[in-house]
Amino acid sequence: GAVVSQHPSRVICKSGTSVKIECRSLDFQATTMFWYRQFPKQSLMLMATSNEGSKATYEQGVEKDKFLINHASLTLSTLTVTSAHPEDSSFYICSARDVDRGRETQYFGPGTRLLVL
Amino acid sequence: GENVEQHPSTLSVQEGDSAVIKCTYSDSASNYFPWYKQELGKRPQLIIDIRSNVGEKKDQRIAVTLNKTAKHFSLHITETQPEDSAVYFCAAKAAGNKLTFGGGTRVLVKP
Repeated sequence: GAVVSQHPSRVICKSGTSVKIECRSLDFQATTMFWYRQFPKQSLMLMATSNEGSKATYEQGVEKDKFLINHASLTLSTLTVTSAHPEDSSFYICSARDVDRGRETQYFGPGTRLLVL
Repeated sequence: GENVEQHPSTLSVQEGDSAVIKCTYSDSASNYFPWYKQELGKRPQLIIDIRSNVGEKKDQRIAVTLNKTAKHFSLHITETQPEDSAVYFCAAKAAGNKLTFGGGTRVLVKP
């Protein structure tokens, strides 16, 4: 399957700082990437859809000014958690959509564990 | 929008036995149904998927069945091994739409 990387894998920051997470598709181009949040022992919660060259589409209840998304190239999307607070601590996972001969498949990055002190 | 329900939430089986996880979906336009396996602290890994033009697909010990009329699909793992222990997620998607995930099933294979 296709490879998606995510960086950093783990970050600890102080309350009030901003954290940037990168998601890269390594061996395919992804016009669409997705950002999820996952709490312990829970399912994946879609936060937003990242579209290359255009604005991200946010899910209901997700603050776009809090979670800034930039998809500047066909292989890179970034999520910036602005003015992070302890309640933002979570596991953030990106995925990238691969379209091969008209068939779509979604591949996940390894995730970023964010801890806000 | 799409709603996906997954059962059971936890499943404990003896090594060598079979495990079955069932999902239902609400949007009849959904035509793609992947299954992901997630080990603790790791990324979800695609293990098998099925598209609406087939009713069953098999890959070694893993099989998925799809019933579009009833809007449900199932994952079957045969001859379970301890390394099959993980959380499994089903998902459904209509063309051009986002994936909607089920709540997950925590599978424990006891040696």
